[in-house]
Amino acid sequence: EAQVTQNPRYLITVTGKKLTVTCSQNMNHEYMSWYRQDPGLGLRQIYYSMNVEVTDKGDVPEGYKVSRKEKRNFPLILESPSPNQTSLYFCASSSRQGGYEQYFGPGTRLTVT
Amino acid sequence: GNSVTQMEGPVTLSEEAFLTINCTYTATGYPSLFWYVQYPGEGLQLLLKATKADDKGSNKGFEATYRKETTSFHLEKGSVQVSDSAVYFCALTSWSAGGFKTIFGAGTRLFVKA
Repeated sequence: EAQVTQNPRYLITVTGKKLTVTCSQNMNHEYMSWYRQDPGLGLRQIYYSMNVEVTDKGDVPEGYKVSRKEKRNFPLILESPSPNQTSLYFCASSSRQGGYEQYFGPGTRLTVT
Repeated sequence: GNSVTQMEGPVTLSEEAFLTINCTYTATGYPSLFWYVQYPGEGLQLLLKATKADDKGSNKGFEATYRKETTSFHLEKGSVQVSDSAVYFCALTSWSAGGFKTIFGAGTRLFVKA
C-alpha cells in the first residue's frame, strides 16, 4: 500500500529538549516536504527536498532542520523546541510523474511546554 | 510572492444543497492548482487538481476549473452529502529559481446537516 508514515503521532516535550519526527514514504517519490498546520493559517511549508541531499527552506524554516540521506526518509529535527512550535506537523511526498499531487502522512501533534 | 485566498468558513449547508467554495490565487508563471480535503483526525488527501489554464479537475462529484483570466479555482458540488463534512484547502504548487514551493489557503470548514 502506498503511504507516508510519520512517528510519533503525538509528542509532549519541554522547551529545549531536542527531538526528531521521522517521515518515510514507499512510493519512490523525489519530492518531500514538511508543513505545520495552525488554526486560521492553513498549512505552511517548513522545508522541502527535491531529491537526496537536496533540501531548501520553505516559508517558516526558523527553528527547524531537515536531512535527506535516503530517498524514502525525510526527518524533521527541532534542536531546541520552543512553545511557539506547538503545532500539527505533516510530512508529504510527491513526484513529477504524478503531477506533483502530494501524499500526506497522518500528522504529528507536538506540544512544547 | 505567491498567495492563495479562499473563502472563510465555516460553511453550513443542508444535504443536497449546492456548494461553492471560492479560491483565488496570485502567482508568477504557470502553477498547478489543487483542492485537498481533510477529514477529522486525518491528514490531507487530494480531491482534485488542474495543471494548466482551462483544465477542469473533477472527483466524487466535485469540480473546479483553472481560470487564468480571473486567477481563480473555485470548488463546486451540485448536491452535498453529510459525508462531505470536512475542511477543504485550495493550494498551488510552483517552480522557479527559488525551488519547488506549495502555498495553501487557510482552509474552509464545511458542515452538512441531514
